[in-house]
Amino acid sequence: DTGVSQDPRHKITKRGQNVTFRCDPISEHNRLYWYRQTLGQGPEFLTYFQNEAQLEKSRLLSDRFSAERPKGSFSTLEIQRTEQGDSAMYLCASRGLAGTQETQYFGPGTRLLVL
Amino acid sequence: DQQVKQNSPSLSVQEGRISILNCDYTNSMFDYFLWYKKYPAEGPTFLISISSIKDKNEDGRFTVFLNKSAKHLSLHIVPSQPGDSAVYFCAASALDRNQFYFGTGTSLTVIP
Repeated sequence: DTGVSQDPRHKITKRGQNVTFRCDPISEHNRLYWYRQTLGQGPEFLTYFQNEAQLEKSRLLSDRFSAERPKGSFSTLEIQRTEQGDSAMYLCASRGLAGTQETQYFGPGTRLLVL
Repeated sequence: DQQVKQNSPSLSVQEGRISILNCDYTNSMFDYFLWYKKYPAEGPTFLISISSIKDKNEDGRFTVFLNKSAKHLSLHIVPSQPGDSAVYFCAASALDRNQFYFGTGTSLTVIP
């Protein structure tokens, strides 16, 4: 399977705990995105990496959220001190080389429930 | 500020008929548009795209039409099949930007 993978697929945590999600993009893609999707809404952009550089961050990404892509391959999204409002589906997507108008391909998502 | 809008939350169509899903956008800088299909508990699956240099793109049963002057695009599915029942999202971006903007989705139900 050469698609985008995400781990875990589901996460239940208590309010105040930290959680970390992982995304493995399609291997030849150097662009990687994180989105959040809540019920009844479309995916909302959180952040974008080109190789290892985090080039764009949404205002939605509060200081409790941090994302990394240390070697330009897989990426992690960490949420510290989780709140009930963080409950959502967290989607990762990857895209081909910068400068090309290629589509982005999504992973299956990580569904987070904060109790 | 919703730059991409899907004003119909749901649509029901008989099997074999045409499904038409609509999407409007406000940002005239958008020049690349995509449609995604999403099943529950899965990530969105890419369906079809169109660049602003075209006004139509076809792929099998799926055709996307773009009307730049009206800032409107539509997805036609002909003939509709029960397996097409899903939530459809349109998305848009500008060539010099990396961010995609998504609509809120239209839930399509194809009735056998």
